[in-house]
Amino acid sequence: DIQMTQSPSSLSASVGDRVTITCRASQMISDSLNWYQQKPGKAPEVLIYAASSLQSGVPSRFSGSGSGTDFTLTISSLQPEDFGTYYCQQSFSISYVTFGQGTKVEIK
Amino acid sequence: QLQLQESGPGLVKPSETLSLTCAVSGGTIDSTTYYWDWIRQPPGKGLEWIGGTYYGGTTYYNPSLKSRVTMSVDTANNQISLKLSSVTAADTAVYYCARKSYIDSWSLFDYWGQGTLVTVFS
Repeated sequence: DIQMTQSPSSLSASVGDRVTITCRASQMISDSLNWYQQKPGKAPEVLIYAASSLQSGVPSRFSGSGSGTDFTLTISSLQPEDFGTYYCQQSFSISYVTFGQGTKVEIK
Repeated sequence: QLQLQESGPGLVKPSETLSLTCAVSGGTIDSTTYYWDWIRQPPGKGLEWIGGTYYGGTTYYNPSLKSRVTMSVDTANNQISLKLSSVTAADTAVYYCARKSYIDSWSLFDYWGQGTLVTVFS
């Protein structure tokens, strides 16, 4: 299986800060990497697919980059509504989808 | 607007079979474009993919759950189902159904149900 490792596991930042979350795959996955945001009590919502493509309706302050094994989700200017837990997910293996363990983002 | 709604018992006894359905509205499940997956989340923990199914009958299961999982598509009622046998307390989780779409060669979970909490409790 392809293991996904996120860092950090949690962070606290102020409104307006630039926030970066990283995700590392245990093997090469090309650009088959998605990012999701989950708020408490809600289902996850996709932000980024194919490593860097912004899902329709997602604010442009969210961006993704990377290829191979190392990926990054960046929030260019953190907003109050961006609190929640962020997950990466590899879509390289159709027969075994895996998620990162999550990064909890709190607003200072 | 596509909507997914999970339903099923909220309590299941150990060793019994967990059975859930996911009703799909605002769209049809008999499309060659989509897979229909189940994902679960134990309380306070991360997301675990259970498996996915396609209306043509193809299924993929998480290897760690494969021996206990069955998924199927009911095109007549536009719903998908999940059965997980021999449950234990470790199967207590919020269970989500989700649509997996393909954009060129990439896939993503673009629609999710609200989730349903299943507790394994004797």
